[in-house]
Amino acid sequence: EVQLVESGGGLIQPGGSLRLSCAASGFTFSNYAMSWVRQTPGKGLEWVSAISGSGGSTYYADSVKGRFTISRDNSKNTLSLQMNSLRAEDTAVYYCAKIYSSGWFNYFDYWGQGTLVTVSS
Amino acid sequence: DIQMTQSPSSLSASVGDRVTITCRASQSISSYLNWYQQKPGKAPKVLIYAASSLQSGVPSRFSGSGSGTDFTLTISSLQPEDSASYYCQQSYSTPNTFGQGTKLEIK
Repeated sequence: EVQLVESGGGLIQPGGSLRLSCAASGFTFSNYAMSWVRQTPGKGLEWVSAISGSGGSTYYADSVKGRFTISRDNSKNTLSLQMNSLRAEDTAVYYCAKIYSSGWFNYFDYWGQGTLVTVSS
Repeated sequence: DIQMTQSPSSLSASVGDRVTITCRASQSISSYLNWYQQKPGKAPKVLIYAASSLQSGVPSRFSGSGSGTDFTLTISSLQPEDSASYYCQQSYSTPNTFGQGTKLEIK
């Protein structure tokens, strides 16, 4: 059974840093690209970042580029998101999601339960 | 970035009704369109990928159609457990943008 379990969320002051982790199990982690998606009541679902199975390719939304860093440890089946220079608008539930690719098509086939990040003074 | 616009934003329907939700992309995305269902307090769950392919385990009352810029998600006979929010998402280009969501309520 595929499981994705996020951790690391919490309350942080503006300008602070936080590191989210996602522990994966139930599939061959290194074979799949992974992503972070966040959700706010006001802006809905927003794709944040993605990383290839090998970790050699990374992608970011413009809203987080230069502040967030996605990484993975395939020996530990763990996905991470280092978030620096946090802003109030980064407040959201952060989900890690497994990316399934079928030919040229890809979609998020499994999601974690989410971890809440609140940026506030 | 490709903008995804869903309509309606919310709707109310009765058990057994046929329900259609539409999603429009700001430019052609071929068939790179996915649909997700999200219930309160839960993560989204994929229903349809590649515009019309039913994800394994999803009831056959859900179907998707469309290509280019206009897409639809149809529930052929609404069930009480279908009360949820529904989101479209394009996977044609990065960033993979989502629609704003449609909240479906059962009368």
